[in-house]
Formats: sequence, structure tokens, C-alpha cells
Amino acid sequence: NAGVTQTPKFRVLKTGQSMTLLCAQDMNHEYMYWYRQDPGMGLRLIHYSVGEGTTAKGEVPDGYNVSRLKKQNFLLGLESAAPSQTSVYFCASSRDRPNQPQHFGDGTRLSIL
Amino acid sequence: QQPVQSPQAVILREGEDAVINCSSSKALYSVHWYRQKHGEAPVFLMILLKGGEQKGHEKISASFNEKKQQSSLYLTASQLSYSGTYFCGTEKGGYQKVTFGTGTKLQVIP
Repeated sequence: NAGVTQTPKFRVLKTGQSMTLLCAQDMNHEYMYWYRQDPGMGLRLIHYSVGEGTTAKGEVPDGYNVSRLKKQNFLLGLESAAPSQTSVYFCASSRDRPNQPQHFGDGTRLSIL
Repeated sequence: QQPVQSPQAVILREGEDAVINCSSSKALYSVHWYRQKHGEAPVFLMILLKGGEQKGHEKISASFNEKKQQSSLYLTASQLSYSGTYFCGTEKGGYQKVTFGTGTKLQVIP
């Protein structure tokens, strides 16, 4: 039982390049989330999904797109990477009932030069 | 709007106690607490609901004062394993959509 798995774990990009971060969960959770974590800023929600085929914007959605084509997968895309997107990205999932904890993946460390 | 945590950092000796506070300017549905060790993923500790509920996890407990829109995390008889950054998260609209604070870095030394 892997829980929440993120790939890749590390990546270095050049400004303007694009990439997709993959999040997969095997807990049959309805809700999934993408966060970024920067020093002194805590965790900030980028986008989230409340079910297959649905997505919604979080606090800091600009420059990112997401897709949830399958219930177990939540993809985060950067179309044209910028140095300001250098961060650690965490994916999380939770059940669709009130007051449930979020289960986090191990994170993806992304550097944009 | 992010909840405000205080203090930002604290150093304890083993066996000492600490309190971490989390305040919000907006009405809350629930408060979540997570701990993150360096280089690792955040790990869930507990959720508190409206009504002044108090919960416990190991020797860590928390309270939620709905009127003050404030939650406090209490760490008693701290152990080295308690070191890490503690985040509170506030939920006000459902879908488990949590807004996290900027964290409190706790270091427990021998």
C-alpha cells in the first residue's frame, strides 16, 4: 500500500520549458490537492479536485494547470516554467467525508534556472 | 488569508513543555494540525471541530476556541522525536480545503 506517490522526486528545468508532475494515490480518495512550499510561506494550495473530471483553483493557481482524468491520478503542469516556480511541490489526497485528514506524498523538488 | 502561528520558532530541552498558537481572522469550520520533519512530507496529527473540543495524540493535545477563532497545540514532556515544523490549517468551506499557516519550527535538544 503505497499511499500517495509523486514523480519525479527532483527536477531541474530551464526557464520556458514545460513539464508535468504526476501524483497517484491508491486509497480510492475523491479529493486531491496540489501545494507548493516555499521557505517562510508554509503550504499554499495551487489547485484541487473533488472528483474525477473536476478541478478548481486554489490560492496560487497562476502559471499552473491540472487535470484529473482518472480518479487515482492528479497531474500538475507547468506550461512555461519561470524561476519564481522554483519550489517543493506536494500532492495530497483525502476522503470525501467531513473532517478527514490529508495524506501527503513525499514531494517533488523543482528548480528552474 | 493564512492563519497566523506563534511563535515562529522555539527551542526546548527534552522534557519541557511548549504551546503553539494558531489564529484566524475569519470564522472557522475546523482546525487541522500537521507536523513536518526536515525533508519529509507533512504528517497529520489531529483535527479539531467547533465547540472547544480538545484532542490528544501521544503527549500532544490541542484545543479550539471557536469564539476567539484560535487553536492551541500543547506539547508536554517533549521528546527529541517532536522536533519538526508544526503547521495549523484552517478549513471554512468544506472539501477539506485547508489554508495552512506559515509554520512553527520546534527543536528539541538533549
